[in-house]
Amino acid sequence: DAGVIQSPRHEVTEMGQEVTLRCKPISGHNSLFWYRQTMMRGLELLIYFNNNVPIDDSGMPEDRFSAKMPNASFSTLKIQPSEPRDSAVYFCASSVSGGIDYGYTFGSGTRLTVV
Amino acid sequence: GIQVEQSPPDLILQEGANSTLRCNFSDSVNNLQWFHQNPWGQLINLFYIPSGTKQNGRLSATTVATERYSLLYISSSQTTDSGVYFCAVGAPGGATNKLIFGTGTLLAVQP
Repeated sequence: DAGVIQSPRHEVTEMGQEVTLRCKPISGHNSLFWYRQTMMRGLELLIYFNNNVPIDDSGMPEDRFSAKMPNASFSTLKIQPSEPRDSAVYFCASSVSGGIDYGYTFGSGTRLTVV
Repeated sequence: GIQVEQSPPDLILQEGANSTLRCNFSDSVNNLQWFHQNPWGQLINLFYIPSGTKQNGRLSATTVATERYSLLYISSSQTTDSGVYFCAVGAPGGATNKLIFGTGTLLAVQP
């Protein structure tokens, strides 16, 4: 099992540009989470999906952020337009919902720098 | 929403020492997990432990749900244990596996 796969690992972009982060969850996991980590705010849940359906997007900072999960093996987090305050590490995690163990597996993260 | 507090905020140990990290939470939980974030930023799941006690090698964890706290024990610490330890909880009423993270304990193990 390759684990949760995120791409790219690093992204540097100019303010105003569109940024797309990608995540492939572990096969068989039916819950997917997007978190953002900053020094000031720690780990924040942005949005999560159960069975490809967005359940709670209350953590999405504003309309510039959007997330999709078109199928069980792929999700994207898009920022348009990007701003310097969006600079952070973005993590994707997956787990099994409804099973005995709800342990999360995190991807390696995408370090986003907006200049 | 539920509050998660971790203590101590940071800790320095000599290699071989033991330590106890604490996680307090403000409401009932149906999900509690401990994570280690290594110096390279990778988040590793250590335990899923909404109640009871578990052990994995030099690490063990205990959650007393009725008293709203969990403890992570590290014995015979090694330099590779350095990093940030996070406690994360999920509350009843929401989706079972939606986790809220504490602010972490920064651990430095010196040789």
